[in-house]
Amino acid sequence: KAGVTQTPRYLIKTRGQQVTLSCSPISGHRSVSWYQQTPGQGLQFLFEYFSETQRNKGNFPGRFSGRQFSNSRSEMNVSTLELGDSALYLCASSLNRRGWAVNLEFFGPGTRLTVL
Amino acid sequence: KNEVEQSPQNLTAQEGEFITINCSYSVGISALHWLQQHPGGGIVSLFMLSSGKKKHGRLIATINIQEKHSSLHITASHPRDSAVYICAVSPYNTDKLIFGTGTRLQVFP
Repeated sequence: KAGVTQTPRYLIKTRGQQVTLSCSPISGHRSVSWYQQTPGQGLQFLFEYFSETQRNKGNFPGRFSGRQFSNSRSEMNVSTLELGDSALYLCASSLNRRGWAVNLEFFGPGTRLTVL
Repeated sequence: KNEVEQSPQNLTAQEGEFITINCSYSVGISALHWLQQHPGGGIVSLFMLSSGKKKHGRLIATINIQEKHSSLHITASHPRDSAVYICAVSPYNTDKLIFGTGTRLQVFP
């Protein structure tokens, strides 16, 4: 099976711009989660989508949004970029995120966003 | 205080040494994960634990639910084990993960 893919891998934007990142899950996986990783804060959960619906959301401002398509591919969008949004954005897919005892997550390679 | 604390933050070792990374958490959990992140960002899920001990090759993970503590051991360490090791917990009745800040391991030949 092909792994989780994320595009683009690297991105440079300036403050005030917006950005859209894409994640294609492993075939058959219906849950996609997004995470932000910064040197200071480590990994932080952004949100999770399952069957085109946002099921869980972390503590991020409304500038961070996402969506999931019928083929389970997901996009996340960050509007009005700030310097502090510079980070590695990771997505992960799983069959069904509910029921941690039996689920495994598979992570993509990440998109490194730099905001200048 | 973070809900998930890892120690040490940085660790260097000589090839062949036995390594232990610790994770303590303060919330009730349904599972704990150990993740490995190599330079470049890719994350690999190593273990998911809800009790006891698991072993995979040279890696061993243990968890003590009563003490809210988990350890990741690497036997006969190798330079290819150099990575950041991250502990993450799944609190009861949520689908979220809370991550530790990671332990950066460097193994020298």
